[in-house]
Amino acid sequence: AQSVSQHNHHVILSEAASLELGCNYSYGGTVNLFWYVQYPGQHLQLLLKYFSGDPLVKGIKGFEAEFIKSKFSFNLRKPSVQWSDTAEYFCAVQRGYQKVTFGIGTKLQVIP
Amino acid sequence: GAVVSQHPSRVICKSGTSVKIECRSLDFQATTMFWYRQFPKQSLMLMATSNEGSKATYEQGVEKDKFLINHASLTLSTLTVTSAHPEDSSFYICSAIETGANTEAFFGQGTRLTVV
Repeated sequence: AQSVSQHNHHVILSEAASLELGCNYSYGGTVNLFWYVQYPGQHLQLLLKYFSGDPLVKGIKGFEAEFIKSKFSFNLRKPSVQWSDTAEYFCAVQRGYQKVTFGIGTKLQVIP
Repeated sequence: GAVVSQHPSRVICKSGTSVKIECRSLDFQATTMFWYRQFPKQSLMLMATSNEGSKATYEQGVEKDKFLINHASLTLSTLTVTSAHPEDSSFYICSAIETGANTEAFFGQGTRLTVV
């Protein structure tokens, strides 16, 4: 069974600091990779996705993620965070048209 | 992007009663939909995969007789929580994948169920 590991459960940063959230998955076949964000009181929103092609993908709000196949990783990055980035971030993996498996989530708190 | 609508967004029910939650894909057809449950401060846990015109596939540990899933059309799946108990109180989220398209799953806004 595939699993998704997020290494940081709670991250606190000051505004303008750089962000990197780790994500590793266990499935060895072809996968689709996602990062979702959930702002307080709101539903999941897609930040970015990787299906194929350039392993460095850019998403909304200045986020990007790099797929490193050899490391089974899909880390999320942002050069300079803002207070409005305070939210919970979920890495997710999908195999074909099948179910999406989520990581446990990382709560990001940005201090003004 | 594609829109998935869940209804209701919040529901409070008494113990022992049943509650039905609807998940609709508004502008695309979805052969496959998924139902998730999110406990406070935890991640989304897949409950079942809903397949149009056939039985749902439940994840290990999920009671299929308690969480009834019906996917009668290409745009609607329903989750019925039968004989609800307070421990069923949770946030339920559905998602849908457009039939034949290699795109991400689109998520509904979720339903907050409180059983009193």
